[in-house]
Amino acid sequence: DIVMTQSPDSLAVSLGERATINCKSSQSVLYSSNNKNYLAWYQHKPGQPPKLLIYWASTRESGVPDRFSGSGSGTDFTLTISSLQAEDVAVYYCQQYYTPPYTFGQGTKLEIK
Amino acid sequence: QVQLQESGPGLVKPSETLSLTCTVSGGSISSYYWSWIRQPPGKGLEWIGYIYYSGSTNYNPSLKSRVTILVDTSNNHFSLRLNSVTAADTAVYYCARGSIVAGRMDYWGQGTLVTVSS
Repeated sequence: DIVMTQSPDSLAVSLGERATINCKSSQSVLYSSNNKNYLAWYQHKPGQPPKLLIYWASTRESGVPDRFSGSGSGTDFTLTISSLQAEDVAVYYCQQYYTPPYTFGQGTKLEIK
Repeated sequence: QVQLQESGPGLVKPSETLSLTCTVSGGSISSYYWSWIRQPPGKGLEWIGYIYYSGSTNYNPSLKSRVTILVDTSNNHFSLRLNSVTAADTAVYYCARGSIVAGRMDYWGQGTLVTVSS
């Protein structure tokens, strides 16, 4: 199985400041035939289902605010929230869909400082 | 707007079978992948498996011996069966749609808590 490791486990950021979450996969999730990284980011709030934010490592899902961005390739990825809003408090997960079993990182809890 | 809704018993006895159904509304079950994911209390997300609308499946090896996922295209729902459950199977169970590729899950159900206890 591909192991996904996120850092940090928790993060406190002031409103309006930048938040950065890292994700590392135990093997590359870059598919050479189409040059796509099979990596997604989800936002998970209490009492709600996870919400897809980013796929192909850097493509925003429809309706996701542009303060959310994803970057990286191969085994190292980053989710950035450029200006933290109160509604962004949540747990964020990276997930590889390169090969089953699809696996998630352990989650990063994002709070307001 | 596509909506998914899980249904089934919230309490299952140890050694028995957990059975859940996910009903899809606002869109067709055809041409997509349909997954089950779970989250034990206080823990992270675990992908259980998926079924393609045609009926082909892929299961997490950690659960493969106990899992069956079925699809009913005529009634626009799919189901999960997990047998020989233990307390370790207590979790919130989510169903989700995979589009473009199986693991890109863009629509999720609200989730249902299943507790395994006698």
